[in-house]
Amino acid sequence: EDQVTQSPEALRLQEGESSSLNCSYTVSGLRGLFWYRQDPGKGPEFLFTLYSAGEEKEKERLKATLTKKESFLHITAPKPEDSATYLCAALDTDKLIFGTGTRLQVFP
Amino acid sequence: GAGVSQSPSNKVTEKGKDVELRCDPISGHTALYWYRQSLGQGLEFLIYFQGNSAPDKSGLPSDRFSAERTGGSVSTLTIQRTQQEDSAVYLCASSSQGSQPQHFGDGTRLSIL
Repeated sequence: EDQVTQSPEALRLQEGESSSLNCSYTVSGLRGLFWYRQDPGKGPEFLFTLYSAGEEKEKERLKATLTKKESFLHITAPKPEDSATYLCAALDTDKLIFGTGTRLQVFP
Repeated sequence: GAGVSQSPSNKVTEKGKDVELRCDPISGHTALYWYRQSLGQGLEFLIYFQGNSAPDKSGLPSDRFSAERTGGSVSTLTIQRTQQEDSAVYLCASSSQGSQPQHFGDGTRLSIL
């Protein structure tokens, strides 16, 4: 069965304390791996797409990487405004299969 | 508008009533998706439209759920004879083609009393 698993479920960081979020997937017909950010009461906001193992994408303090079995979202020197839920999703044929997300809290 | 628009933003209704949820995708996007997000759970795929056709309805939880899309644009998700387990946030997304990023609206929060 196709599945996406994210860890940890929740992460508390001090401002400036770098860390990584993990997304492992078992999707037979993977067409892409997507990262989204979701703030309370809002829809997911697109961050990155990764299409092949070894690919990396960067945006400000965030960097996403992809292997054949997992993806990582690295957060460098986070700020309080980076606090949100980060969702990973695998594109299977025509639909996204989502993980349950990592709730990130960054404290000043 | 520039983004995906959903209405209403909130809907409270009594068990057994029918509800209609609307989605206006980004202009020019041919692919449209409906997802459901329940408390403490991940987003769950419901249905996918390419143009006005729905090649994948595999995620619709029961025959009480239906959706249509007209003019390759606006889509409506209808839930008949609502049940309390239908309470969730219903999210709509659109993309320019299947493998491109899906862009989401802010959803309709549906509460069944």
